[in-house]
Amino acid sequence: RKEVEQDPGPFNVPEGATVAFNCTYSNSASQSFFWYRQDCRKEPKLLMSVYSSGNEDGRFTAQLNRASQYISLLIRDSKLSDSATYLCVVKVRVDTGNQFYFGTGTSLTVIP
Amino acid sequence: ETGVTQSPTHLIKTRGQQVTLRCSSQSGHNTVSWYQQALGQGPQFIFQYYREEENGRGNFPPRFSGLQFPNYSSELNVNALELDDSALYLCASSVLRNTGELFFGEGSRLTVL
Repeated sequence: RKEVEQDPGPFNVPEGATVAFNCTYSNSASQSFFWYRQDCRKEPKLLMSVYSSGNEDGRFTAQLNRASQYISLLIRDSKLSDSATYLCVVKVRVDTGNQFYFGTGTSLTVIP
Repeated sequence: ETGVTQSPTHLIKTRGQQVTLRCSSQSGHNTVSWYQQALGQGPQFIFQYYREEENGRGNFPPRFSGLQFPNYSSELNVNALELDDSALYLCASSVLRNTGELFFGEGSRLTVL
């Protein structure tokens, strides 16, 4: 079983739509959670960290449910510039140090 | 610009050869991690270095090895290359005890023929 599972999509949505991405993780010892964004042929960049209390950054809202080992990202009022792949990331602390696990990524295309 | 630079950007090798990829981390960052990203997949964690010691390793065989230097720059070495090693190799720098944000370089695209 993969450490982090995401629906790869693709999600094709019109401008202005609201879209939600989900992610599950398998390791209950996971400590930190993130959403990264990766544009085509570019490196991943941090979009936002995810906290148990939920957190919002403008049009983006992230939620974490530790009991269900579930992470979500909600994008409101989608813009053309939101088109990218969104990667769910989990940091796990093990005896040998830290390990970061990335999901496969969910592809989003916002259509004019 | 993240301040993380990788070289070379592209390279082609044949099966059985060895490759060394290099990464200069962002100023002030003491931790470097390496990832393999195959086409259509998310980055897969190879290993992490902190203060020149390996500080975490993913599910990669020993022919994947690394180094971190006193200036926090790093190398990834892959021996006995296989066709499946063809991928984008990403380096990320960070500060070990911070929020966990990773700052990625643009990657080295390796093709194994």
